[in-house]
Amino acid sequence: DSGVTQTPKHLITATGQRVTLRCSPRSGDLSVYWYQQSLDQGLQFLIHYYNGEERAKGNILERFSAQQFPDLHSELNLSSLELGDSALYFCASSVGGTAGVKTQYFGPGTRLLVL
Amino acid sequence: AQTVTQSQPEMSVQEAETVTLSCTYDTSESDYYLFWYKQPPSRQMILVIRQEAYKQQNATENRFSVNFQKAAKSFSLKISDSQLGDAAMYFCASENGNKLVFGAGTILRVKS
Repeated sequence: DSGVTQTPKHLITATGQRVTLRCSPRSGDLSVYWYQQSLDQGLQFLIHYYNGEERAKGNILERFSAQQFPDLHSELNLSSLELGDSALYFCASSVGGTAGVKTQYFGPGTRLLVL
Repeated sequence: AQTVTQSQPEMSVQEAETVTLSCTYDTSESDYYLFWYKQPPSRQMILVIRQEAYKQQNATENRFSVNFQKAAKSFSLKISDSQLGDAAMYFCASENGNKLVFGAGTILRVKS
């Protein structure tokens, strides 16, 4: 158990819908990262938040957005869902932002299936 | 863009034997971290080992060790005394600022 929690574990929805994925980082970690794992794209970085502020964006679609709240949990919002958004979405956390310990610990992931 | 290459899509090893998984990376950074993660059928991403680029000594964690060749930008993972529980997908990753860049992964099969 990494100490990172993600809910829900599984999500089945329809095209055009909107979903919210939730992540709680390990105790003491200020950084939260979101990754998408799909069969065709592999593991891809989406976005990074540090202590409530967005620090870096990767291959995140405009239909996707995220935020980190004062209690440090994070939410990833996916809207206007398409079939191709079906994937495993991971949240990871680490202690530092741009400095400090760089090791990221991953949550169990949320499996999203868009029908 | 930073890239990580795992040239072995699949590897097999006999139980109790040793296997080495290859990884090469490309970075313009002078200080960075490298990682190996294991993804078993449960799909959980489990940290196996990490290496800090400024440290010349190769990292070791029990049966897992790395061969880090900074000049060659090579970062291989050696698993000794392989166990059935080692069967999984293994991902090599390099830390690039605020994100990890992953290779495509190597499926490791362990034969009893």
